[in-house]
Amino acid sequence: GQQVMQIPQYQHVQEGEDFTTYCNSSTTLSNIQWYKQRPGGHPVFLIQLVKSGEVKKQKRLTFQFGEAKKNSSLHITATQTTDVGTYFCADTNFGNEKLTFGTGTRLTIIP
Amino acid sequence: GAGVSQTPSNKVTEKGKYVELRCDPISGHTALYWYRQSLGQGPEFLIYFQGTGAADDSGLPNDRFFAVRPEGSVSTLKIQRTERGDSAVYLCASSLIRTDTQYFGPGTRLTVL
Repeated sequence: GQQVMQIPQYQHVQEGEDFTTYCNSSTTLSNIQWYKQRPGGHPVFLIQLVKSGEVKKQKRLTFQFGEAKKNSSLHITATQTTDVGTYFCADTNFGNEKLTFGTGTRLTIIP
Repeated sequence: GAGVSQTPSNKVTEKGKYVELRCDPISGHTALYWYRQSLGQGPEFLIYFQGTGAADDSGLPNDRFFAVRPEGSVSTLKIQRTERGDSAVYLCASSLIRTDTQYFGPGTRLTVL
């Protein structure tokens, strides 16, 4: 079956440094969604990418979809303590009924 | 309601017991989803409802797991003869329509002793 892997598994950064998580799929992705889950919380939708090569920005967050639609990335510029949490990518499997989540990248910030 | 709610927030049970987990979706949302999240992993799909019917239950691990949504709103996930391996956070999500954003509830943390 489909495997959606994320690297790194963990990332510790100093506040103010940049952060990037990479999402890679064994099969072609449909649409890719990104979620943030705070410690002890639930996944919160951030964005959806649909087109090959698409780039979207939300303030300090930049999301990219690979040209071959087999990978995606999330980059955070100048991290803040509020960015702490686990970031998941998820494939919508061509219908959005059954999200396949990646393995997640847990971000911790050193003040 | 303001968001998806789930009860109980925590459930501790003994191996072999039966449990029910409840999900109240956002009012008006027709689609409802159940996921299971084990420690340190991403959520895994269990079942999806469109209205009252289970449109896709391919993620249910075995026949001990069953879910219903009799009136197209509240859903109950039922687990029979619980096993220690069932311990996880069970997340519910809802969306206005199938292709819309899924909004997750706070989850029910199930611990099977």
